[in-house]
Amino acid sequence: EAQVTQNPRYLITVTGKKLTVTCSQNMNHEYMSWYRQDPGLGLRQIYYSMNVEVTDKGDVPEGYKVSRKEKRNFPLILESPSPNQTSLYFCASRKTSGFAYEQYFGPGTRLTVT
Amino acid sequence: GESVGLHLPTLSVQEGDNSIINCAYSNSASDYFIWYKQESGKGPQFIIDIRSNMDKRQGQRVTVLLNKTVKHLSLQIAATQPGDSAVYFCAENMFPDMRFGAGTRLTVKP
Repeated sequence: EAQVTQNPRYLITVTGKKLTVTCSQNMNHEYMSWYRQDPGLGLRQIYYSMNVEVTDKGDVPEGYKVSRKEKRNFPLILESPSPNQTSLYFCASRKTSGFAYEQYFGPGTRLTVT
Repeated sequence: GESVGLHLPTLSVQEGDNSIINCAYSNSASDYFIWYKQESGKGPQFIIDIRSNMDKRQGQRVTVLLNKTVKHLSLQIAATQPGDSAVYFCAENMFPDMRFGAGTRLTVKP
């Protein structure tokens, strides 16, 4: 089954404690992206990756890091989480060839930083 | 940057009625649009897409209309069912990014 998986699904942590949210896709997609979703603001892009070893900032990259060492994985790293990073996070992937840009989303990770 | 917006944050319809969800976009150069459905506790799911060289596209019980003159997009759901209750997003392609609206919450009353 074609899918994007994220782990963990729920996470409660404290300010300053480094954490990583994993993301993996099995569709051989070149493009992967991380979004955060906050009430009334919609999905905002944090970082994206066009392919292995190619990453770039989205609209709200401050406080986040990513890496793309393998095509299927795109982890999101919070080196020193703060309460304003409490949010719902989604990983997504899509192909970059052709015209259609349908993105496949993971189930989401709800993060609470106290 | 330019953003995609929605006219109404909530919409309540009777089961069996048709639903219309609207979206305004501001980038006249956008060439591709997607509607997503997000159910509670899940990630957004693709519903239907449309290219800018089209005015209308139909899927199963859903129709997307594109009016480039007024930069308006709409999603029509025919014979709305309880399972259609969700948040619906309009997304605008700005490769390599996507721009998403805040969403409209559709509630279907039995």
